[in-house]
Amino acid sequence: QLQLQESGPGLVKPSETLSLTCTVSGGSISSISYYWGWIRQPPGKGLEWIGSIFYSGSTYYNPSLESRVTISVDTSKKQFSLKLSSVTAADTAVYYCAGTTSGWGYWGQGTLVTVSS
Amino acid sequence: EIVMTQSPATLSVSPGERATLSCRASQSVSSNLAWYQQKPGQAPRLLIHGASTRATGIPARFSGSGSGTEFTLTISSLQSEDFAVYYCQQYNNWPRGTFGQGTKVEIK
Repeated sequence: QLQLQESGPGLVKPSETLSLTCTVSGGSISSISYYWGWIRQPPGKGLEWIGSIFYSGSTYYNPSLESRVTISVDTSKKQFSLKLSSVTAADTAVYYCAGTTSGWGYWGQGTLVTVSS
Repeated sequence: EIVMTQSPATLSVSPGERATLSCRASQSVSSNLAWYQQKPGQAPRLLIHGASTRATGIPARFSGSGSGTEFTLTISSLQSEDFAVYYCQQYNNWPRGTFGQGTKVEIK
């Protein structure tokens, strides 16, 4: 059973870069069947797709965040990562990593990242 | 960008009754539509993909229909564990995708 786990700081200062990592277990991050991605949810609000990556490194970003987002993959560590630069309070959210074949079928438990000085 | 609009925002239903949730896309997404259930403090769970295909382990009381711009999620007989927030998501230009704003199904 595929499992995903987010890790990273829970508090980031305004204007700095948010960095999170997702570790994949129970399956191959290099499978051609999956895309991997990041989705966030501000407190009390809905879901927002941030971006997706294939094991080969091909990336796809939400146009509204594209100028600030970088997603990368390290197949040797079975991890993929999110970097979001120049954060503001509006970036405070629960960040989920997820995996997909058709629809996001696999999710991490989510990690709350608060942007505050 | 394709905008997904869900209605109603809140649906009050009694246990055992039928619930019908709607999702509309601003342009055609063919059958590239998924539904998710989210309970407080939990990650979303995939219910339906391809507009009408139940994900693994999802009970038969959940069904999806529609194509193009109009979609429906039906819960045939609400159980206590079904009270949650439901999101639709289009993935017509996979692996990109946009979510609807959600429908909260609450106990009447």
